[in-house]
Amino acid sequence: DAEITQSPRHKITETGRQVTLACHQTWNHNNMFWYRQDLGHGLRLIHYSYGVQDTNKGEVSDGYSVSRSNTEDLPLTLESAASSQTSVYFCASSGGRMNTEAFFGQGTRLTVV
Amino acid sequence: AQTVTQSQPEMSVQEAETVTLSCTYDTSESDYYLFWYKQPPSRQMILVIRQEAYKQQNATENRFSVNFQKAAKSFSLKISDSQLGDAAMYFCAYRRGGGSNYKLTFGKGTLLTVNP
Repeated sequence: DAEITQSPRHKITETGRQVTLACHQTWNHNNMFWYRQDLGHGLRLIHYSYGVQDTNKGEVSDGYSVSRSNTEDLPLTLESAASSQTSVYFCASSGGRMNTEAFFGQGTRLTVV
Repeated sequence: AQTVTQSQPEMSVQEAETVTLSCTYDTSESDYYLFWYKQPPSRQMILVIRQEAYKQQNATENRFSVNFQKAAKSFSLKISDSQLGDAAMYFCAYRRGGGSNYKLTFGKGTLLTVNP
């Protein structure tokens, strides 16, 4: 069965370190997204991609970057981790125009100390 | 920019009773999709129900149904015969239709407690 997986599930890192969260999907979806979930804020869009070599900033992109070198993967990098980036991160993917359902990974809980 | 508002941070319901979760949204678009996602304690995001704006008929999935009021920009979720397994965080979400815009905009969520 097709799926979308994130790794790691949990991570603790120190302030100032570079961190990369992995996202891999086997749906063959062109569209991939990174969201962060914080209490009282719901899910907010960090970055998204509509295909290989395409990346776009979302509403809370400062301090984050992504790259899309193939269809399956969209890694999220925190350039210099800050305590404000402690959150739960979700990766999602979706298909084309009429395929409206987005599929989500299990989430990564990141703690920056 | 589109916004989605869930005005009820928390709700509770007795098992077997019915509960309605509220969602309003703001958009100038005529073509869009609306969704309700469920997030149980496992953290997994699960699609509960979706509604296409061009469809007048309210979507239904078993015990879950929506009341879609396009003119009022309202999209409430009704859960009938509530079960303990319905306890979760529920998110309302919006996506523009047409073109190539596939981003979801989420509300802040409603935490539903089901009492036995």
